[in-house]
Amino acid sequence: DAGVTQSPTHLIKTRGQQVTLRCSPISGHKSVSWYQQVLGQGPQFIFQYYEKEERGRGNFPDRFSARQFPNYSSELNVNALLLGDSALYLCASSMGEGTNYGYTFGSGTRLTVV
Amino acid sequence: DQQVKQNSPSLSVQEGRISILNCDYTNSMFDYFLWYKKYPAEGPTFLISISSIKDKNEDGRFTVFLNKSAKHLSLHIVPSQPGDSAVYFCAAISAGGYNKLIFGAGTRLAVHP
Repeated sequence: DAGVTQSPTHLIKTRGQQVTLRCSPISGHKSVSWYQQVLGQGPQFIFQYYEKEERGRGNFPDRFSARQFPNYSSELNVNALLLGDSALYLCASSMGEGTNYGYTFGSGTRLTVV
Repeated sequence: DQQVKQNSPSLSVQEGRISILNCDYTNSMFDYFLWYKKYPAEGPTFLISISSIKDKNEDGRFTVFLNKSAKHLSLHIVPSQPGDSAVYFCAAISAGGYNKLIFGAGTRLAVHP
């Protein structure tokens, strides 16, 4: 069984550029969440999508946006990159929304902004 | 404001002994708590969870204890093994709404022979 897959695994961008990160959830999972993990800190919630609708948004600026496609895959977009956006971006998928459903994380995309 | 705190950034334990990782929280609306383990270059892996209506949950070598009055939970690993060396994150979910996980900063556990 394929787990949560994220692409790319690493990338380097320049300040001011835009980036798109991709996530494919586990087959059958309809909920996808995005987290940002800065070095030395725990993951911070960015977005959650369920059945293609945004269900929650963390305390991140409007430069961050996301969407979920009919096949439940998801993209996270970050515009006007800042040095502080350098982080590990994690995608997590879940079958549903309730606390009875566990989250499975992907290995993440390591974004470096120079 | 840090709603979930792991005050020990690192812990070193001898193989075979008990590892105790601690976590404190401030939000009394949290109704579910989880522990994740993370190896370098991998995403967090779910380890064990506990509902706020319980005070203990056990799964093999791993036991999580919840003290609601103290807003404190701990993860016990007995016996500790070198393969347990990783970063451990405590996370919490609020009652109602969507499943936003709120993580602590993590504790790096090193189990040495």
